[in-house]
Amino acid sequence: GNSVTQMEGPVTLSEEAFLTINCTYTATGYPSLFWYVQYPGEGLQLLLKATKADDKGSNKGFEATYRKETTSFHLEKGSVQVSDSAVYFCALSDTKSTFGDGTTLTVKP
Amino acid sequence: DSGVTQTPKHLITATGQRVTLRCSPRSGDLSVYWYQQSLDQGLQFLIQYYNGEERAKGNILERFSAQQFPDLHSELNLSSLELGDSALYFCASSDRTGGIAGANVLTFGAGSRLTVL
Repeated sequence: GNSVTQMEGPVTLSEEAFLTINCTYTATGYPSLFWYVQYPGEGLQLLLKATKADDKGSNKGFEATYRKETTSFHLEKGSVQVSDSAVYFCALSDTKSTFGDGTTLTVKP
Repeated sequence: DSGVTQTPKHLITATGQRVTLRCSPRSGDLSVYWYQQSLDQGLQFLIQYYNGEERAKGNILERFSAQQFPDLHSELNLSSLELGDSALYFCASSDRTGGIAGANVLTFGAGSRLTVL
């Protein structure tokens, strides 16, 4: 079946550091790919998405590029802020929207 | 406010009891998904309904059941509760049936935190 594998956390960075959270997937066909973010005490919310190969999703300074050849969708941000501290989930769109295990990011001032 | 409403927000109960969690999807969304989030198991898909019909089933225990009503709200029933059932239960909705074709964006509620003592 389809699966999503995320970089294990937790990840701790200083403010203004560069962020990469790795995500790879296994799927039949060509799924849509997503990053969701969960802030403390809240539900998940969509951060960005890409629907086909080589698409780049972007939002709030975060970016991820759909790489079919490496079956990856790594999340990046050039300069993180304390307010980016959250849990980040990579997901793909199939009959049950398969999610990775989540990566906890803590950004320190 | 995401538009997905879950009640109750918090629930504390004892082992062996039964509880019902309720979800109202975002206006216009026909699909409802249930997920369980626990500390050691991440986000686990339980079940999906589309317009009243079950569409996909995940790792849902036999002690758990769900349904989606004609007004599209959904209920997740958890019975014979065990300590290990303590978790956050999320409901999400979308306007699609699912499937790989197309970007099926899920809108999540704030969750129901269940504590079994």
